[in-house]
Amino acid sequence: DQQVKQNSPSLSVQEGRISILNCDYTNSMFDYFLWYKKYPAEGPTFLISISSIKDKNEDGRFTVFLNKSAKHLSLHIVPSQPGDSAVYFCAASERDRYSGTYKYIFGTGTRLKVLA
Amino acid sequence: GAVVSQHPSRVICKSGTSVKIECRSLDFQATTMFWYRQFPKQSLMLMATSNEGSKATYEQGVEKDKFLINHASLTLSTLTVTSAHPEDSSFYICSARRRNEVYEQYFGPGTRLTVT
Repeated sequence: DQQVKQNSPSLSVQEGRISILNCDYTNSMFDYFLWYKKYPAEGPTFLISISSIKDKNEDGRFTVFLNKSAKHLSLHIVPSQPGDSAVYFCAASERDRYSGTYKYIFGTGTRLKVLA
Repeated sequence: GAVVSQHPSRVICKSGTSVKIECRSLDFQATTMFWYRQFPKQSLMLMATSNEGSKATYEQGVEKDKFLINHASLTLSTLTVTSAHPEDSSFYICSARRRNEVYEQYFGPGTRLTVT
């Protein structure tokens, strides 16, 4: 049962335009969300995060929006650049009920291709 | 910075042998380390969480006798895949959490394991 889903496996965007990547989750206990960028055969690189008490967080070209009632978050990249081409994962944090440690549940990923 | 290294970056081993992967936090003390695996074009799946000096907590479906995790110091965790089989071939990624941080994880570059 996939608790964090990214329904678009791929997305192509023209350079300079906006890229919008979406993520849906099912567990209302998630209290912190993150977006990572990943290249093949490399570890994920942190992009931006948002606490569940906020609905927007912005960092340069990256903005994350959180809609708790819809259990949906999105990552906006404006303007998109060819170097943004990668696989993007959203992750939700939940507290492990046995250890008390906060751990991530990753989404399924969206491959973004920014066309020059 | 918060740099995490993994060694080796790639390893090929024969079926039935064991292989050890190291994860080190280079410039910080990691009270918690996480181990993930990623199959091609799939998400990162959490395998286990380890806290320094205590036993690892394994996710459901992960065989603890097959994937031995040791977190002997605040800068080193190891994952040993015992009696490896071809189906264990995967990309293994570790991450580390700094003391006093709740949500953040810093990811290593990953290790590609191929079992022949």
